[in-house]
Amino acid sequence: GAGVSQTPSNKVTEKGKYVELRCDPISGHTALYWYRQSLGQGPEFLIYFQGTGAADDSGLPNDRFFAVRPEGSVSTLKIQRTERGDSAVYLCASSSDGYNEQYFGPGTRLTVT
Amino acid sequence: AQRVTQPEKLLSVFKGAPVELKCNYSYSGSPELFWYVQYSRQRLQLLLRHISRESIKGFTADLNKGETSFHLKKPFAQEEDSAMYYCALEMDSSYKLIFGSGTRLLVRP
Repeated sequence: GAGVSQTPSNKVTEKGKYVELRCDPISGHTALYWYRQSLGQGPEFLIYFQGTGAADDSGLPNDRFFAVRPEGSVSTLKIQRTERGDSAVYLCASSSDGYNEQYFGPGTRLTVT
Repeated sequence: AQRVTQPEKLLSVFKGAPVELKCNYSYSGSPELFWYVQYSRQRLQLLLRHISRESIKGFTADLNKGETSFHLKKPFAQEEDSAMYYCALEMDSSYKLIFGSGTRLLVRP
């Protein structure tokens, strides 16, 4: 079956601009996670959704970052006033609930110039 | 603070040699440990988790709470094992994964 998909695969934006990154989880998966992976590092947790609600957003670095999942399926990570330090690969993962294996998407590589 | 340490950025071995990728964690509660693997141009995927006690693709890992380690081992490395390996910690079934910085395994012919 189809795995987790993320769009776009690459995004280049100028400092100060607004960007949206999209994640389509595996159908039926109620849990969805966003991670950020900087060069040479492992993924870093940002936010976890169970259904439509953000169960844990403790990893969001500041208030420029926001994520939604209005219908409990697709999620969008939104970054306002982008900074060069936001450049990273943004990974999305989903699981059938909060306790089972997380399946990762291919990631969106964000470059802020 | 909770942390996962993978001390080696790169591990290079010859085909058929034993492999051990090191992982140490710092967490005082009940950890669940995982190994994730990312092959070239593929997405991150689960290799194994300590509670399942499985051997996947010949790899095993034992949780040593005394040494707070979860090293990944394989007795005979294969070229197709070349990949990036990440150790990850889940605290008290909290679903949130804390990853190490990864070790690149290169298996030479």
